[in-house]
Amino acid sequence: DTGVSQNPRHKITKRGQNVTFRCDPISEHNRLYWYRQTLGQGPEFLTYFQNEAQLEKSRLLSDRFSAERPKGSFSTLEIQRTEQGDSAMYLCASSPSTAQGIMGQYFGPGTRLTVT
Amino acid sequence: AQSVTQLGSHVSVSEGALVLLRCNYSSSVPPYLFWYVQYPNQGLQLLLKYTTGATLVKGINGFEAEFKKSETSFHLTKPSAHMSDAAEYFCAVSPRDDKIIFGKGTRLHILP
Repeated sequence: DTGVSQNPRHKITKRGQNVTFRCDPISEHNRLYWYRQTLGQGPEFLTYFQNEAQLEKSRLLSDRFSAERPKGSFSTLEIQRTEQGDSAMYLCASSPSTAQGIMGQYFGPGTRLTVT
Repeated sequence: AQSVTQLGSHVSVSEGALVLLRCNYSSSVPPYLFWYVQYPNQGLQLLLKYTTGATLVKGINGFEAEFKKSETSFHLTKPSAHMSDAAEYFCAVSPRDDKIIFGKGTRLHILP
């Protein structure tokens, strides 16, 4: 168990460019979550997957955002036409099936996005 | 709708003193409750969780929290603060064990 990993850890991009982040969950976890955290705030839910299926999307997730988890393992979060307001820490988390009880979510180190 | 309120964005305690971080929640269904800790430039680490059963929950690093339904509270305590406890602490609620709704966080400062 190597924990949740995220790449890259930091991304600086110019306004209008597209960016893609990757998250590798803990291998036996079938649920994967994306959150966004801005300075001085708690993380805010964006979306989550159970295996390949995207089960819920927040209203925060505008049309410029898309997330995928094609084989039920790693996930990608893409932001198209970035705006300065997209600057934030993007956190990924995973959790096991609830058949194992309520375990809570395990977070990765995050990807810090700066849009200039 | 579910929400979490953490009282005090900054809390300072002396090393060796009691740590008390306050959290109140609102939930239309019996909630799952969590405390997470975040060290600088790191992700969130689960400290403890309440799902069902015993209302006093023990977590890692000597922390514990008590679920009080009548007060809709889930305050975090530690009997004796250590310098290594300095971090940001987030209280969180999950109504159905899917998405987690976080409070705004409390930064804990430990005074020597």
